[in-house]
Parts: sequence; C-alpha cells; structure tokens
Amino acid sequence: QVQLVESGGGLVKPGGSLRLSCAASGFTFSDYYMSWIRQAPGKGLEWVSYISSSSIYTNYADSVKGRFTISRDNAKNSLYLQMNSLRGEDTAVYYCAKDAIGGPHYFDYWGQGTLVSVSS
Amino acid sequence: DIQMTQSPSTLSASVGDRVTITCRASQSISSWLAWYQQRPGKAPNLLIYKASSLESGVPSRFSGSGSGTEFTLTISSLQPDDFATYYCQQYNSYSRTFGQGTKVEIK
Repeated sequence: QVQLVESGGGLVKPGGSLRLSCAASGFTFSDYYMSWIRQAPGKGLEWVSYISSSSIYTNYADSVKGRFTISRDNAKNSLYLQMNSLRGEDTAVYYCAKDAIGGPHYFDYWGQGTLVSVSS
Repeated sequence: DIQMTQSPSTLSASVGDRVTITCRASQSISSWLAWYQQRPGKAPNLLIYKASSLESGVPSRFSGSGSGTEFTLTISSLQPDDFATYYCQQYNSYSRTFGQGTKVEIK
C-alpha cells in the first residue's frame, strides 16, 4: 500500500536551515507529481510547493518563494524540501503528499507529517 | 491566487443529523474541487474529488455537489467517526488553495 514517511523536522533558530525528506513506497514514485503542504499549530492547510514527476516543473507558494527548494530523487523514491532563512511563521507540521494523477491536482495520499519549530 | 471560503467555520450536530458544508471560490474553478477530512493529530484524508466523485473506500453517506464558484459537502447521516475538520481545496490553478476549514462538533 502507499506509504509516505516524512523526516527531518525539529527546532531551528530564525534564519536557520532545515532539510525535510519524504520516503515513498507502494507506488511508482517516478510517475507522479509530489507536493509539500504545511499546517501551522491550530490553523488550516497551506500548499507549499510541488515538483513534477521528472523534476522539470516546480512551483512555490509566494510565502516561501526564494527561501525553499523542492527536489526529488526518483532512484531513491524520495522527496525533499530544503528550507532556508526560516522564520517564526514557518513553524508548522509539514506533510508530503502524492498528487492523484498526472499533474498538480488533488492529493490522494499524505504522510503523517513532521513538525518544524522556528524559535530562538 | 484563488481564494476559497468555507462556511460555517464550526458546526454543532448530533449523530444521525444531515450536515452540509459550503465552499465558495473567488473565481470559477469549474469542477476542480476536492474535499478532505482531518481528525485531530492526523493527516487529511481525501473524501471527494472533481466536486462530486467519491474516493474509493469512502462511505456513501458523503457526497459533494456544485460547479463554478459554489460547492457543498453533505454528510447524509452523521456518524461518531465523522466529528472532524473538513477542508475544500481547488486545483483549477497550479497554486492550489484550501478553504480555512469547518469543524464539525458534537452537539
């Protein structure tokens, strides 16, 4: 069955960096767009970034553009999110999610999330 | 970006009630809308896609309708497992956006 397992979250100081990883299994990873979505404590869902199946296309929310970089390694069935210049408002649970069909659409599988806390 | 607005923000209901949640888009999104359920401490779970298509494995008491800018999620007979927060999400544009959520509470 489809599994998405995030890792790499933790406590980081403002201005610091963190790299999140998502290990995928149970489907042909290289066939699907993948996304990162976050949820601040007690708040709603915010789409952060997506990457196309072959890494040709990426897109970012305005709130993270220029600071976050999404990437993937299809040989390792892994998705990544490099987060630089972190701010307090980046504190959230970060979910890795599989796009349902060929293209950025809806999300049919989600990981359990990894918590990123930005605080001095 | 396309803004998504859900109403109500909170809904109190009893087991067996029929419940309806509304989601409005700031511009037409055709039928490119999904609904998710999120229980506390868990990841969201896909319920409905393309406005009215039921995801495999989701109980038939969940249904979706609408097109253009106005959409609804209906739970025909609320069950104990259904007390959760529900989100709509548009995928008409590549910058996907979610509604702010509707929390369904026990009355």
